[in-house]
This record gives sequence, structure tokens and C-alpha cells, in this order.
Amino acid sequence: EPEVTQTPSHQVTQMGQEVILRCVPISNHLYFYWYRQILGQKVEFLVSFYNNEISEKSEIFDDQFSVERPDGSNFTLKIRSTKLEDSAMYFCASTEGGAGYNEQFFGPGTRLTVL
Amino acid sequence: LAKTTQPISMDSYEGQEVNITCSHNNIATNDYITWYQQFPSQGPRFIIQGYKTKVTNEVASLFIPADRKSSTLSLPRVSLSDTAVYYCLVVGGGYNKLIFGAGTRLAVHP
Repeated sequence: EPEVTQTPSHQVTQMGQEVILRCVPISNHLYFYWYRQILGQKVEFLVSFYNNEISEKSEIFDDQFSVERPDGSNFTLKIRSTKLEDSAMYFCASTEGGAGYNEQFFGPGTRLTVL
Repeated sequence: LAKTTQPISMDSYEGQEVNITCSHNNIATNDYITWYQQFPSQGPRFIIQGYKTKVTNEVASLFIPADRKSSTLSLPRVSLSDTAVYYCLVVGGGYNKLIFGAGTRLAVHP
């Protein structure tokens, strides 16, 4: 069964450093998302991406965040200068279609720890 | 996006049927009701989706009354491995982000 993969599974970084989280969505999917979940809190939408551009972003997704699809398979989330409060699980998701009722397939997540 | 309300937590025992009810009073005509499951340190996983009446798959059933202001996820004969957080979400054709609430933390006991 096709699945979304994410690397690394765990990333530890120092405050102020740049991190890049990587995702490989399901191959025939066209819509991509990033969500985050701070420990013990709810899953929060960050950004959606389609046709090589951002479709929608949340208030969390400020200038420190960026997304990119550098090739035909990877989808990346970059945090330019990490803060302590960026520590969270980051989930990538993808869907075949763009409607809300299309099932979103989530990856296993990257646990980001900012020291 | 319609707000959803569901119990914070529930407890059950192996072999029992579990029903989790969600209210969504402001659901729009084009919206669907979707349920996701999340295990600790894993990404959410789609369980079931419906528009009205009853939907059943190999994992669960979803009951939606005619007014669609609430829905009930039914898990038949739960096992310890069903211990997870269950999220009720309202989704629609006009927007594709998922808005998660706190979910219902289900604990299944031996």
C-alpha cells in the first residue's frame, strides 16, 4: 500500500539554526500539506501546496517557514531560524484531489527538538 | 468551517462496542463528516467519512441523523489496539485543510 514517508524521524537542533524536514508524498497525489503537533496539544494546519505554489497557510506559517517541491518526489518544509517553541511533531500529508472530503494520507512525522 | 464538539475522553473494555458522538450544529450543506484516528507519536489516519444516514466499512460505522447536526462513530468489539485519539472533523469541497480539535481519547482496558 502506498504511503507518505518523512525524514528524519527525529531532528535535534540548536535555537537559531535552519532545519529542513523532508517528505515524499504518495506518487500520484497532487496536493500536499504540513501540520504540526506540539506535545500534548492538537494537530495544527500549517500550509497547503498545489501546482508548485502555496494554496493556503495558517498564522503559524510566518516568514520563518517555507515549503518547496524541489523535484518530482520530495516536498520540504524549511524553518529558517528555529525557536524553542518550534519543538513539535511535524506531519506531512498528501491527497489525490483538492476537495476537503478527499482522504488525507499522513506520514509518520518528524519530531523536531530545538535546544 | 463548522466547529465540532466531542467528549474529551472515554473508557471501555475489550470486546465492547464504543460509540463516540460529535456535535456539529453549524454544518453546511456541502460539508461531510470525517473521522481520523491517531496513535501516540504517529500521524492521524482516516477512518470513515459520511454525508448522511449510515456508512460502514471494515473498521467502523458512522451514523448521521437527518438534521446532520451530530454524528456517532461506532467501533464494534474494541481491542486494546483501538486505544487512540479519535477526531471528528467537518470537511467540505471548498476548503481542503483539516481543522483538528482536541479529539476523544479512548482507553480500552483488558
